Amino acid sequence: GENVEQHPSTLSVQEGDSAVIKCTYSDSASNYFPWYKQELGKRPQLIIDIRSNVGEKKDQRIAVTLNKTAKHFSLHITETQPEDSAVYFCAASRYSSASKIIFGSGTRLSIRP
Amino acid sequence: SAVISQKPSRDICQRGTSLTIQCQVDSQVTMMFWYRQQPGQSLTLIATANQGSEATYESGFVIDKFPISRPNLTFSTLTVSNMSPEDSSIYLCSVGVLGGAGNTEAFFGQGTRLTVV
Repeated sequence: GENVEQHPSTLSVQEGDSAVIKCTYSDSASNYFPWYKQELGKRPQLIIDIRSNVGEKKDQRIAVTLNKTAKHFSLHITETQPEDSAVYFCAASRYSSASKIIFGSGTRLSIRP
Repeated sequence: SAVISQKPSRDICQRGTSLTIQCQVDSQVTMMFWYRQQPGQSLTLIATANQGSEATYESGFVIDKFPISRPNLTFSTLTVSNMSPEDSSIYLCSVGVLGGAGNTEAFFGQGTRLTVV
């Protein structure tokens, strides 16, 4: 079945440095890859996504890259700030109105002041 | 986007009993999903709630344990039946909204924190 693997499980970076989270997926039919941020006690919120016809997408300090051949994608956060501390989930799904979303195991990101 | 109201937000239940969680969306949506998130863990898909037909369950989840209703395009319920302490978790309702580019974007309810004693 479909599977999404995510690494690392925990990540601690100095404020102002960059953070990178990596994911791989197993379903070659997956073509939509969202990233969610979940703060403590809150629901997951979409922060950025990428489709398979694009290799990279950037939104201010956040960027995602996708290597469809290797079936892996990454989240990059630059100039990290304390409010970036949260759990981040990658996910994968197929491009249709009836597709389910499969989540990675999550990365707990901590920003050191 | 979609605004999702999920209730109850939390409950403490006795083992052997059942709890029904409700999910209400402010607009008609095709796809509704139920996830379980155990403390410090990822979101595990329980089932897809299909309007007008039986829910589609993922491996490891069965209808007798997690019956789901979907009477219309804005509402769904998940029942956790014959609960045991292992069922203690956060249960999240999610809806899939078709984005402008054809992808399905997921929005989440605030979750139900269930503790079974």
